[in-house]
Amino acid sequence: ETGVTQTPRHLVMGMTNKKSLKCEQHLGHNAMYWYKQSAKKPLELMFVYSLEERVENNSVPSRFSPECPNSSHLFLHLHTLQPEDSALYLCASSQDLLDRGLLGNEKLFFGSGTQLSVL
Amino acid sequence: TQLLEQSPQFLSIQEGENLTVYCNSSSVFSSLQWYRQEPGEGPVLLVTVVTGGEVKKLKRLTFQFGDARKDSSLHITAAQPGDTGLYLCAAPYSSASKIIFGSGTRLSIRP
Repeated sequence: ETGVTQTPRHLVMGMTNKKSLKCEQHLGHNAMYWYKQSAKKPLELMFVYSLEERVENNSVPSRFSPECPNSSHLFLHLHTLQPEDSALYLCASSQDLLDRGLLGNEKLFFGSGTQLSVL
Repeated sequence: TQLLEQSPQFLSIQEGENLTVYCNSSSVFSSLQWYRQEPGEGPVLLVTVVTGGEVKKLKRLTFQFGDARKDSSLHITAAQPGDTGLYLCAAPYSSASKIIFGSGTRLSIRP
């Protein structure tokens, strides 16, 4: 139990569907993240939230829309996705925003991910 | 262009053998982390190294941060099937909140 729970674990959707991924952390952390992991690329940071405010948006297409209603919950709303968006979507949290250097105490706690297939 | 290059991409060895995997970059990092990701799960942090030349041991795993803080290695002694997984190196980059990852080494240990 990592303390970060993602639902659903698996999702199959058509290109015209609208769906949402949910992430909940039970660790009392202040920062939450969405990462995308696909077979051909390394983990890609998508969004970062700190105390419910978005602090990073890495040029992610608008068909991905994050929402952070409180410091424990993070959503990723999906609409009109493309087949190339099929990937494992990982949520992570950290106590606070990671400083420029990782000094040994800062680390990411990941959920188990949502395996998304877009048909 | 990938900032963190990991090699090899795939490695399959017999139980009991030793192995080393590498994480290399042309950039200097203030620190570096290693994560292990098992099938169907998210990555789990193994270690953080922060000083050039630093060596850390975690049971049969030995991690080294290069003197110039551009590279790192992970050595596993007497590999066991439980070591199977995707090994990822990660480092802080650019902004205060951005951690970049290498593409990983997928390790398989045959019984």
